[in-house]
Amino acid sequence: NAGVTQTPKFQVLKTGQSMTLQCAQDMNHEYMSWYRQDPGMGLRLIHYSVGAGITDQGEVPNGYNVSRSTTEDFPLRLLSAAPSQTSVYFCATSTGGRRPYGYTFGSGTRLTVV
Amino acid sequence: AQKITQTQPGMFVQEKEAVTLDCTYDTSDPSYGLFWYKQPSSGEMIFLIYQGSYDQQNATEGRYSLNFQKARKSANLVISASQLGDSAMYFCAMGSKAAGNKLTFGGGTRVLVKP
Repeated sequence: NAGVTQTPKFQVLKTGQSMTLQCAQDMNHEYMSWYRQDPGMGLRLIHYSVGAGITDQGEVPNGYNVSRSTTEDFPLRLLSAAPSQTSVYFCATSTGGRRPYGYTFGSGTRLTVV
Repeated sequence: AQKITQTQPGMFVQEKEAVTLDCTYDTSDPSYGLFWYKQPSSGEMIFLIYQGSYDQQNATEGRYSLNFQKARKSANLVISASQLGDSAMYFCAMGSKAAGNKLTFGGGTRVLVKP
């Protein structure tokens, strides 16, 4: 049981480049979300999804796009990378208020924009 | 809007002693959940413990317990018998169905266990 799989684990981009961070889950969780963690800080919500075909913005959505065509996948697209997007990105899934409570996190993608 | 505050940026604890990590929260939702996560230096987020706002008893999971004081809006994490492997960042977070089950995180507390 893989849980939540994020790829790649590390990435270096040049300013202006675009890329997609992948997130896949095999737990049939309805809720999926993307967070970013800047050095020494907590996690901030970028985008989230309550089910296939439904997405919404979080606290820091600018510069990112998401889509959710299947229950399993929730990719995060950086449209035109900027140094301010250097961060660690976490994908998380949850059962949406049903037991067992808790959010399962992927292992993270460390992104550096130069 | 939901808000989580962790006022202790860092703390030392002696091995085998207990440590309490503070967490206060603010929300207008009547039903919510409080979570604690551990983030070791390797970077992964490890779920520790959950407390529901309507749970009658304080949550416990092994050496972790949550001191939930609803009226004071606090959800402090107690780690008993600290081990060297407990050295990590600890994050308090909350979520509610009314808020779309989004998690709001505090800024974290770094714990260093001394031998």
